[in-house]
Amino acid sequence: KNEVEQSPQNLTAQEGEFITINCSYSVGISALHWLQQHPGGGIVSLFMLSSGKKKHGRLIATINIQEKHSSLHITASHPRDSAVYICAVKGDLGGGADGLTFGKGTHLIIQP
Amino acid sequence: DSGVTQTPKHLITATGQRVTLRCSPRSGDLSVYWYQQSLDQGLQFLIQYYNGEERAKGNILERFSAQQFPDLHSELNLSSLELGDSALYFCASSLGRSDTQYFGPGTRLTVL
Repeated sequence: KNEVEQSPQNLTAQEGEFITINCSYSVGISALHWLQQHPGGGIVSLFMLSSGKKKHGRLIATINIQEKHSSLHITASHPRDSAVYICAVKGDLGGGADGLTFGKGTHLIIQP
Repeated sequence: DSGVTQTPKHLITATGQRVTLRCSPRSGDLSVYWYQQSLDQGLQFLIQYYNGEERAKGNILERFSAQQFPDLHSELNLSSLELGDSALYFCASSLGRSDTQYFGPGTRLTVL
């Protein structure tokens, strides 16, 4: 069973700061997702990664398959980035199980 | 807007009752996933369907069942409801196994 650990659990920063959220997992995966959940509850998929690095606007996601580790970075953070960021992995089980295993989330607050 | 729709948005019911949650995937998506988010367990994978067939089961209780219809919409049936079943239930869809999952807005179930 894959364990997904995120750090930090909570993060409060000032507007404009560079933010890093980390995710580690315990067994091989076929893909890693970064999700964003706003206070209203809706979940938005930010990135799906299987190797390397992806960038979308001020968000950057990286993954190191050998070290079983991924990071989500936010540059020039803004109060609207305040949300819960969730790391989720899809196992490389080969048996057709595509459901995600989730970390507990990082609660990010960006203060003006 | 992810293109995934879920109804109802909120549902309040009593212990012992049975409810049905409905999900319509994005146009063209063949895979549907059901997830449960509770305060104590976080997000958990329940079950996956692909093109009408059950593909994988996660932490789904025997009191719960699901199906995917020929038009690809899916229903999650929860029976003999208990207080602990109160949670947010999300549906997600993807085109295929290796594609990004898009989440619906969720159904908030409250069991009194």
